[in-house]
Amino acid sequence: NAGVTQTPKFQVLKTGQSMTLQCAQDMNHEYMSWYRQDPGMGLRLIHYSVGAGITDQGEVPNGYNVSRSTTEDFPLRLLSAAPSQTSVYFCASSSVNYGYTFGSGTRLTVV
Amino acid sequence: GEDVEQSLFLSVREGDSSVINCTYTDSSSTYLYWYKQEPGAGLQLLTYIFSNMDMKQDQRLTVLLNKKDKHLSLRIADTQTGDSAIYFCAEIRNAGNMLTFGGGTRLMVKP
Repeated sequence: NAGVTQTPKFQVLKTGQSMTLQCAQDMNHEYMSWYRQDPGMGLRLIHYSVGAGITDQGEVPNGYNVSRSTTEDFPLRLLSAAPSQTSVYFCASSSVNYGYTFGSGTRLTVV
Repeated sequence: GEDVEQSLFLSVREGDSSVINCTYTDSSSTYLYWYKQEPGAGLQLLTYIFSNMDMKQDQRLTVLLNKKDKHLSLRIADTQTGDSAIYFCAEIRNAGNMLTFGGGTRLMVKP
């Protein structure tokens, strides 16, 4: 099993550009979530999904969109990148019985 | 302020014990976790404790939970240089399956 796969690992964007961070899991977990990690602030929840077709906002959702058309995939879209979105992004999947599994992260720089 | 709080930094000598502390505010927390993050890497689950337990031991790791004071600690016995990393505590609350993280404690192990 691959677990949680995030792509790309690194990305540089110009202010105003849009892009999609991909996240896929092969563990048939019902829950998926996106976090951003900033120095001294730990990980903060951006958006989450409790199943295909269901998404909800986390702590810091502004500037991001998500969709969950399948159980496996949970892409995170930046609509118009801003320097404040420079961060490391982690995708995670989880289930009630098996806890959380994290992807290896995407380091995003917005210039 | 954060719902889950940790001190930012801890320095110990190799061979000593390390104790990383965490406080949380939500009494409905069901599971409490400790994650380890090495430089440039994702989050690795170290251990977890269910809220009806006081203590859990796993090899060099001991987790203590004081529900009355909402205090969680991670003790690492015989700390090694390979233990140098950032340690995050996290909680899951009854209301859902989403993790709330502390800001992380950077553990530095000196030879």
